[in-house]
Amino acid sequence: DVKVTQSSRYLVKRTGEKVFLECVQDMDHENMFWYRQDPGLGLRLIYFSYDVKMKEKGDIPEGYSVSREKKERFSLILESASTNQTSMYLCASTLRGDGYTFGSGTRLTVV
Amino acid sequence: AQKVTQAQTEISVVEKEDVTLDCVYETRDTTYYLFWYKQPPSGELVFLIRRNSFDEQNEISGRYSWNFQKSTSSFNFTITASQVVDSAVYFCALSEWSGTYKYIFGTGTRLKVLA
Repeated sequence: DVKVTQSSRYLVKRTGEKVFLECVQDMDHENMFWYRQDPGLGLRLIYFSYDVKMKEKGDIPEGYSVSREKKERFSLILESASTNQTSMYLCASTLRGDGYTFGSGTRLTVV
Repeated sequence: AQKVTQAQTEISVVEKEDVTLDCVYETRDTTYYLFWYKQPPSGELVFLIRRNSFDEQNEISGRYSWNFQKSTSSFNFTITASQVVDSAVYFCALSEWSGTYKYIFGTGTRLKVLA
């Protein structure tokens, strides 16, 4: 069964900390995505990557960066966590846009 | 600009009732894809269906059916004889033919099916 794995289900971090959210897929997918989900706002795209070392900004990239050194791994980095980054973070991957496979999400709380 | 609107924030029905979740989209492209995803309480989004803009045939899968109408830019989702296990948040999404496979999601509709 194809899988997207997010390393943490719940995470609590302090304001100003550097935070790494990891996502690994085992499907050899080229395209990977980071979304955040907030009540009433749906899912909003932060960054995506269509190949190793390639990345593009989504709709809300401010305060975030990403890294894709290997095809299977796509990391989201919060350079200096702030309380307004408290959210559910969802990683997804797809081969040719025939539908995303999502990870189970990381609920991040910044205190 | 792309936009997906799910005007129903929350719907409650009693088990065995039929329920329709509305999705209205905006796009300038003639080639695009529409999706529905289900997010149960466990949190993981599950793919339900993809429809491309050239295929307006309605689709039925068990108790689920989808009605795609380009004339009204709608892609509605109906659950027949709802069950408690259908309780979830449902998202509609749009992807344009840009090669990047980015999706624009609606804000979701929370469906509560009461026993």
